[in-house]
This record gives sequence, C-alpha cells and structure tokens, in this order.
Amino acid sequence: TQLLEQSPQFLSIQEGENLTVYCNSSSVFSSLQWYRQEPGEGPVLLVTVVTGGEVKKLKRLTFQFGDARKDSSLHITAAQPGDTGLYLCAGAYTSYDKVIFGPGTSLSVIP
Amino acid sequence: ETGVTQSPTHLIKTRGQQVTLRCSSQSGHNTVSWYQQALGQGPQFIFQYYREEENGRGNFPPRFSGLQFPNYSSELNVNALELDDSALYLCASSFSEYTEAFFGQGTRLTVV
Repeated sequence: TQLLEQSPQFLSIQEGENLTVYCNSSSVFSSLQWYRQEPGEGPVLLVTVVTGGEVKKLKRLTFQFGDARKDSSLHITAAQPGDTGLYLCAGAYTSYDKVIFGPGTSLSVIP
Repeated sequence: ETGVTQSPTHLIKTRGQQVTLRCSSQSGHNTVSWYQQALGQGPQFIFQYYREEENGRGNFPPRFSGLQFPNYSSELNVNALELDDSALYLCASSFSEYTEAFFGQGTRLTVV
C-alpha cells in the first residue's frame, strides 16, 4: 500500500517562531503538492514540486522536495497567527495516478 | 477564491436516506474529483470524472456514485447513508486528469 505520512501530527508554537513539517513515503513521487486548509473550508494549493532537490519559496514559506523524490518539507519562518491551519501534502506516484493525500499537520500559532 | 462551488454547504440526513451533493467546476476545467474528509484526517479519494466518464475510483462501496454533466458540473450520490458517512465532502476541479486541482469549500454532511 502506498501511503503518505506527515509529521508532526499536531504543532502548537508561539508567534515569531520557526517550524518545519515533513511529508514522507516509501515510494517515489512524480509530483507533490502542499495545501493549507482552514476549518470548514476546502484545501488551498500552496505549491507543486516536481524535480528532486527542488526548493520553492512563497514569502515566509520554503518548500523542499527530497533528492530521491520520496519526501518533502515545509519550513515556515517567523510564524504568524494567520498561518494556523491544516497543512496537507498530496502526491501522485506517476503522471497517470490520482493524487492521494497525507493525514495533515495541524498547526496552531499562538499570538 | 477558486471558482469551484459546492452545494449545499451543510446537510443533515438520517441513517438509511439518500443524499445528492453538487459541484460546479471552475470555468475551463473538464475534470472533477470527489474526496471524503473525516474530522482530523486528510481527504480520501472517492472517484474522478473526466469528460463525463468515471476515470478512477478509490476504496469506496458502490453506494457512492456520481455523474458529470456536459457543462462539467458534477454530482455525488450516496445511498443507504451510514453514520460513518458523516464527513466533509470536497470537490476539486482541474483542467485535465493530470493537472493541479482546485477545491471547493466542501459540503459538511452529518448523518444521524
């Protein structure tokens, strides 16, 4: 069974702190996406990574795709309360596979 | 705002009843995927429709069925509702079956 794992499951930090969340699989991804979801809303796409070793930045968010394309990380610098939400990674193992989601990391940033 | 709209936003049904959820995809998108998200979990893939035909299905029983219409809007139907069907149902549309998907706000279904 191909699974996506995310860690940590829950994270509560103070405003201004830095954090990193992880997404891992035993299989290679064709592409991987990160989403942020607020309660009662649908996930909102943050970024897609496709190349091993790729690093993408979105303001205070830095996304990295592992060299072997089996894992990814999301680093947030100087977290703000507006960053609070469920961070989901989602991937496709080949270009023809449907996207599957990890269980998410629930982030709470305390003012 | 993704341009994907779902209706209704909230729904309460009784066990054994049937329900139909609707999704209007983003303009220009011909692919719709449906997901079930239980509380505290990631979305689970139900099925995908591409140009009005089912194009892949997750591990859900046949009482979960769907349709896609010529304008690419879609319906998710669930028969014989069970308590465990209570979840947020998400619709995502994309330009094709292999491109990035954009989600609607979801329908919160509660089965009592």
